[in-house]
Amino acid sequence: GQNIDQPTEMTATEGAIVQINCTYQTSGFNGLFWYQQHAGEAPTFLSYNVLDGLEEKGRFSSFLSRSKGYSYLLLKELQMKDSASYLCAGMDSNYQLIWGAGTKLIIKP
Amino acid sequence: GAVVSQHPSRVICKSGTSVKIECRSLDFQATTMFWYRQFPKQSLMLMATSNEGSKATYEQGVEKDKFLINHASLTLSTLTVTSAHPEDSSFYICSARDIGTDTEAFFGQGTRLTVV
Repeated sequence: GQNIDQPTEMTATEGAIVQINCTYQTSGFNGLFWYQQHAGEAPTFLSYNVLDGLEEKGRFSSFLSRSKGYSYLLLKELQMKDSASYLCAGMDSNYQLIWGAGTKLIIKP
Repeated sequence: GAVVSQHPSRVICKSGTSVKIECRSLDFQATTMFWYRQFPKQSLMLMATSNEGSKATYEQGVEKDKFLINHASLTLSTLTVTSAHPEDSSFYICSARDIGTDTEAFFGQGTRLTVV
């Protein structure tokens, strides 16, 4: 079956670095997405990885290892506004997104 | 990045009435649009996949006669919740696939539906 696993909740300190892990199992693979979602709002696209390696985009980076079925989202220089849920989603061979339940990130001063 | 506009952002309706939600891709063409439902503190649940010019594909357990989807053009898809009941109250979100990139990356801002 298809499955996405990510931690339910994480806590980090303002200014620090946090890594949110995601493991995936999909029927075929057409990429791994990370989205940010603030409470009551729609998700916002953060990153897309389809090849192995690290993609850096400002304070956010995303890593993919296809052989391990593993990805992580790295957030640097954390700000209070980064408090949100982070959704990991894998795209299968039919280009359908398989969603994780999301990781709620709590930033403390 | 590409912009997807969803309207309305919030709607309150009486039980038994119908509500239409629009999803537009503003600066790109979308062959496929997706409709999701999200309950509080839960992840997105795909309801249906909407392809331009053809019938939508509904996920198991989603009533196609209750949630009518129309994808009349490459930039517009609509979801109509018919004969709404309080249990239909939820957050509905659309997303659109850009023909150029062929990846689903852009969401509308969502519609908070409350049925009273």
